[in-house]
Amino acid sequence: KNEVEQSPQNLTAQEGEFITINCSYSVGISALHWLQQHPGGGIVSLFMLSSGKKKHGRLIATINIQEKHSSLHITASHPRDSAVYICAARLNYGGSQGNLIFGKGTKLSVKP
Amino acid sequence: NAGVMQNPRHLVRRRGQEARLRCSPMKGHSHVYWYRQLPEEGLKFMVYLQKENIIDESGMPKERFSAEFPKEGPSILRIQQVVRGDSAAYFCASSPTSGGGEQFFGPGTRLTVL
Repeated sequence: KNEVEQSPQNLTAQEGEFITINCSYSVGISALHWLQQHPGGGIVSLFMLSSGKKKHGRLIATINIQEKHSSLHITASHPRDSAVYICAARLNYGGSQGNLIFGKGTKLSVKP
Repeated sequence: NAGVMQNPRHLVRRRGQEARLRCSPMKGHSHVYWYRQLPEEGLKFMVYLQKENIIDESGMPKERFSAEFPKEGPSILRIQQVVRGDSAAYFCASSPTSGGGEQFFGPGTRLTVL
């Protein structure tokens, strides 16, 4: 079982819809990252959070440490939001506290 | 302020050749991470370096792969005697602080082994 699980794997939405992507993890973490990867492959860091909620434009990320769960929400979705969204957990134990463990990603397609 | 730079963006090698991938971190960043993304798979951690030190190489294959981050110049990921299974996208990320800092990703190097 992967230490970081995302759902759904694939998501198709109509423009304007509210979108939620979920991430669950089974390890102790110091922070959780949400990343965006567009076709062509570049990776953009959207959020890093260790508690509560963060908002940037139409994107909102929340994390519940007790439940080991995080969500990424997109409000008023747009076709340009189409990408793969990746959840990544930073471990909080061991000699290296920097490296990330990644979920397999959620492929989002927003139709006009 | 330039972001994380990687070169080359695309690299084609024949089996048995060597591949050298370069990563220049963001200005002021002294921590570099290398990740590999195999076709149709998720990203996997390979190695974490600070200037002149390897901090964690637990994700690196034991043979043929090595990484360095010299005092001057970019970080280098070196793959000797490449095989077809090495074909992947290799991303580096940098952060200004150890462990707790946000990581900024480069555009990746897509390695194709013929």
